[in-house]
Amino acid sequence: DAKTTQPNSMESNEEEPVHLPCNHSTISGTDYIHWYRQLPSQGPEYVIHGLTSNVNNRMASLAIAEDRKSSTLILHRATLRDAAVYYCILRDMGDDKIIFGKGTRLHILP
Amino acid sequence: GAVVSQHPSRVICKSGTSVKIECRSLDFQATTMFWYRQFPKQSLMLMATSNEGSKATYEQGVEKDKFLINHASLTLSTLTVTSAHPEDSSFYICSAMDQLNEKLFFGSGTQLSVL
Repeated sequence: DAKTTQPNSMESNEEEPVHLPCNHSTISGTDYIHWYRQLPSQGPEYVIHGLTSNVNNRMASLAIAEDRKSSTLILHRATLRDAAVYYCILRDMGDDKIIFGKGTRLHILP
Repeated sequence: GAVVSQHPSRVICKSGTSVKIECRSLDFQATTMFWYRQFPKQSLMLMATSNEGSKATYEQGVEKDKFLINHASLTLSTLTVTSAHPEDSSFYICSAMDQLNEKLFFGSGTQLSVL
């Protein structure tokens, strides 16, 4: 399985943008980049995914490098409710299975 | 609202008993569901892939006789922890793939505590 590398933890101030990086240098041409987040004592929830182009939705934006070897999840205005572990995951388009790495624990400071 | 329902959310049992956890997809049919376990401060570990109408596929190191998986319908998969021991205490999470929009939805998890 292609692997991802994320910082163990990050901090951000409330109401400021947050940029969560992810490296995936061994990504294949058919791997989608998925982001999920897990709030305390809950199951993960879908945030966003993309293949090559940058993506936006109501939760976040996903910026994908031109060589696809890295990506950045952008939370435009962090709130305390965004404190969670964020997982960057590669999933082949023909595979339903998702393997989780260690993720980034995001702390939001009031 | 939740599209994958998982029950119970919390269970405490005595050592040696069996515990069944249910995972239901509410808004879509799921031919494939997944079961994960998670220890405190750690990431999710995939245990098995549950296939509707056929045997589950277990990840390496996961005992199939210990963790029984049944996927009898397109909306329900169950995980039974048999003869539970304290080391089985963990957070168990199921997920299901909505094939139409390629999104994986997760249940809210089950905290199992074995005394």
